[in-house]
Amino acid sequence: AQSVTQLGSHVSVSEGALVLLRCNYSSSVPPYLFWYVQYPNQGLQLLLKYTTGATLVKGINGFEAEFKKSETSFHLTKPSAHMSDAAEYFCAVSDTNGGSQGNLIFGKGTKLSVKP
Amino acid sequence: DAGVTQSPTHLIKTRGQQVTLRCSPKSGHDTVSWYQQALGQGPQFIFQYYEEEERQRGNFPDRFSGHQFPNYSSELNVNALLLGDSALYLCASSLARGWDRGNIQYFGAGTRLSVL
Repeated sequence: AQSVTQLGSHVSVSEGALVLLRCNYSSSVPPYLFWYVQYPNQGLQLLLKYTTGATLVKGINGFEAEFKKSETSFHLTKPSAHMSDAAEYFCAVSDTNGGSQGNLIFGKGTKLSVKP
Repeated sequence: DAGVTQSPTHLIKTRGQQVTLRCSPKSGHDTVSWYQQALGQGPQFIFQYYEEEERQRGNFPDRFSGHQFPNYSSELNVNALLLGDSALYLCASSLARGWDRGNIQYFGAGTRLSVL
């Protein structure tokens, strides 16, 4: 069964500092990987996704993530944090097997705080 | 172009009651998935509807049921409500065609259900 582990339920950084949110997955088949962001009282917004091809994926708002198969990781980074990045971030995996038709399995989320 | 819309935004029910939540997918989308997000947790997949049929189901009891209409909108019904059903219920829409290329699921803002 697929699963997603997000290390650190809460990460705090200073404005301008590097953001690193960790995600590890387990999957018996090559997965599709996603990062979503959730602002308070809102739904989920897609930041970026990995399907095939280039392992470094660039997303919106300056975020990027690198798929590392050998480490089963898909960590999210941003070189310089902005106050508006404060939100909860979810890593998700989707089975590429035909039976799942793209169900998303989410991690428990990491809440990012940005200090001025 | 309207995104995914859900109604109502908030709902308060008592134990044992029944509730119906509604979702209109993003224009052009034909697949609707429902997720439950308990406080402090990541979303969990409930079920997915395509062509008015339940195509896949997560690990939720039969008290959770759904429906998809010819216009692709969907309802989530929960019977015999329990305190543990209190959560944010998210609807996501996507296109069935293209799932094998990591088709994106677009999320609504959710319905927050409180069971007293």
